[in-house]
Amino acid sequence: KAGVTQTPRYLIKTRGQQVTLSCSPISGHRSVSWYQQTPGQGLQFLFEYFSETQRNKGNFPGRFSGRQFSNSRSEMNVSTLELGDSALYLCASSLLSGVNEKLFFGSGTQLSVL
Amino acid sequence: GDSVTQMEGPVTLSEEAFLTINCTYTATGYPSLFWYVQYPGEGLQLLLKATKADDKGSNKGFEATYRKETTSFHLEKGSVQVSDSAVYFCANTGTASKLTFGTGTRLQVTL
Repeated sequence: KAGVTQTPRYLIKTRGQQVTLSCSPISGHRSVSWYQQTPGQGLQFLFEYFSETQRNKGNFPGRFSGRQFSNSRSEMNVSTLELGDSALYLCASSLLSGVNEKLFFGSGTQLSVL
Repeated sequence: GDSVTQMEGPVTLSEEAFLTINCTYTATGYPSLFWYVQYPGEGLQLLLKATKADDKGSNKGFEATYRKETTSFHLEKGSVQVSDSAVYFCANTGTASKLTFGTGTRLQVTL
């Protein structure tokens, strides 16, 4: 069974641009969560989607948005990029949405904003 | 709010040494507790978990016991290997349907 796939693996953008990251969950998994990982802040929850609906949202500005498609694939978008958005963005999938669901993480997309 | 506090790293140990990585948490209600591990260049993997007080999670020689009285979930291993070198994250579920992670503790094991 293929794991969680995130594309692209690396991305370089400049301030003010926008970016879209993609996540394909494990086959059969319906929940996708996104996390931002930085050396200073650690892992911070962005949002969770389940069956195409946003279930939960972290404390990030509206520049960060996401969506989920009917095949459970998810995208997240960051508009008007800032230097502080440079981070590793991790996607995790689980079978269902729930506090005790086991999360399976992808290898992440490393975003650098110049 | 929910939070997780881990000991700062890096932790450097010789092979076969005893490992402890401290983790304490705050949460309302009765959270589940987790340890995740991140190997270089990879995403996080669930290492072990405990869902109620006094539960002990264990996997690959690692253990952690859910201590409600001290709000702790310390990770231990009796004899570390070079292959255990990674970043370890403690996490809890709190009251929301999401994980709250600690900042991570880097472990380096040398021969």
